[in-house]
Amino acid sequence: QKEVEQNSGPLSVPEGAIASLNCTYSDRGSQSFFWYRQYSGKSPELIMSIYSNGDKEDGRFTAQLNKASQYVSLLIRDSQPSDSATYLCAVKNYGGSQGNLIFGKGTKLSVKP
Amino acid sequence: GAVVSQHPSWVICKSGTSVKIECRSLDFQATTMFWYRQFPKQSLMLMATSNEGSKATYEQGVEKDKFLINHASLTLSTLTVTSAHPEDSSFYICSARGRGGLDTQYFGPGTRLTVL
Repeated sequence: QKEVEQNSGPLSVPEGAIASLNCTYSDRGSQSFFWYRQYSGKSPELIMSIYSNGDKEDGRFTAQLNKASQYVSLLIRDSQPSDSATYLCAVKNYGGSQGNLIFGKGTKLSVKP
Repeated sequence: GAVVSQHPSWVICKSGTSVKIECRSLDFQATTMFWYRQFPKQSLMLMATSNEGSKATYEQGVEKDKFLINHASLTLSTLTVTSAHPEDSSFYICSARGRGGLDTQYFGPGTRLTVL
């Protein structure tokens, strides 16, 4: 069974620090990876997608992908209290239900002022 | 761009009644829509996938006769929870994916269903 694993946390970082969120996946053939942020009681919102090995930066967010290690991470620089949320890693399931996403259980991030 | 809406945002109903939830892609054509359910403090669970004009594909363990999905157009999909019971109370979220093989799914704001 294809799986996406995340540390559930909570991960607590002080305001202004770098938050590092990690994710591993089981399907070596996966090609598309996503990070979503979900505030309590709200639906997920897309932060970034990444398809190629290496780093992809967007503002304070950097996604890192290493397909050989089946590992994808999200770095949040200059963390703010408003970044406190659950971060979901998702991997496209090419063999599954019309390319649905397989989600990890999420890592809860808490940024302390 | 890529806005998905859901209606209603919350609903309370009596046990045994049916509830319809609408999911609309507002600024793009959604060839595929996904329906998820999320219980408190748990991850998203994919219920079914629907393509415009065809029958939905349900995940294992999801009763297709209980959760009716219709994807009548490229901008609208509906989920009807039939004969709802308290255990169906949950947060229902749709997502939509556009044309051209793009992988990104955009989520609606969700519908919180409470069955009394």
